[in-house]
Amino acid sequence: QVQLVQSGAEVKKPGASVKVSCKASGYTFTAYYMHWVRQAPGQGLEWMGRINPNNGVTNHAQKFQGRVTMTRDTSISTAYMELSGLRSDDTAVYYCARQEWSGYGCDFWGQGTLVTVSS
Amino acid sequence: DIQLTQSPSFLSASVGDRVTITCRASQGISSYLAWYQQKPGKAPKFLIYAASTLQSGVPSRFSGSGSGTEFTLTISSLQPEDFATYYCQQLNSYPFTFGPGTKVDIK
Repeated sequence: QVQLVQSGAEVKKPGASVKVSCKASGYTFTAYYMHWVRQAPGQGLEWMGRINPNNGVTNHAQKFQGRVTMTRDTSISTAYMELSGLRSDDTAVYYCARQEWSGYGCDFWGQGTLVTVSS
Repeated sequence: DIQLTQSPSFLSASVGDRVTITCRASQGISSYLAWYQQKPGKAPKFLIYAASTLQSGVPSRFSGSGSGTEFTLTISSLQPEDFATYYCQQLNSYPFTFGPGTKVDIK
């Protein structure tokens, strides 16, 4: 069965970086895009970007320009999202989610990773 | 960026009610719209893609319609497990923005 298993919760200080992993299983990792979506406490969903695991090409929201890096390791079917220059308003649950084709939605989601930014 | 608005932001309904949620896009997105359901503390669940196509396994009481800039999600007969927050997402152009959500609560 399809599973996306994310790394555990993190507590970071302002200005630090965090790297969240998302290990995929149950399907061909390189055949699906991987998206990253975050949700601040009590707020809605915010799309951060996506990576094509087949070739590593990424697209991300301009809001995160210069701060977000999305990578993947196809040998272990794992996607990564690194966010640098953390601020208190980056405190959120970060989700990975797969997408089969452009225009389709994200059909499987990870369990979420809580990142808390606090001094 | 394409902005999505949802109405209402909140609705109170009873089991068995017919519920309609509207999602409007700031510019045309053809039919590149998805709907999700989210319950507290859980990841979103994928309901509908291409504006009107039900994802496999989603109950047939859910339906979607629309194209261009106006879309609707309808639940024909609300069930206890349907009380949740619903989000639309456009997949027409980057960034793939989400609507602000509609919370469906028990009357």
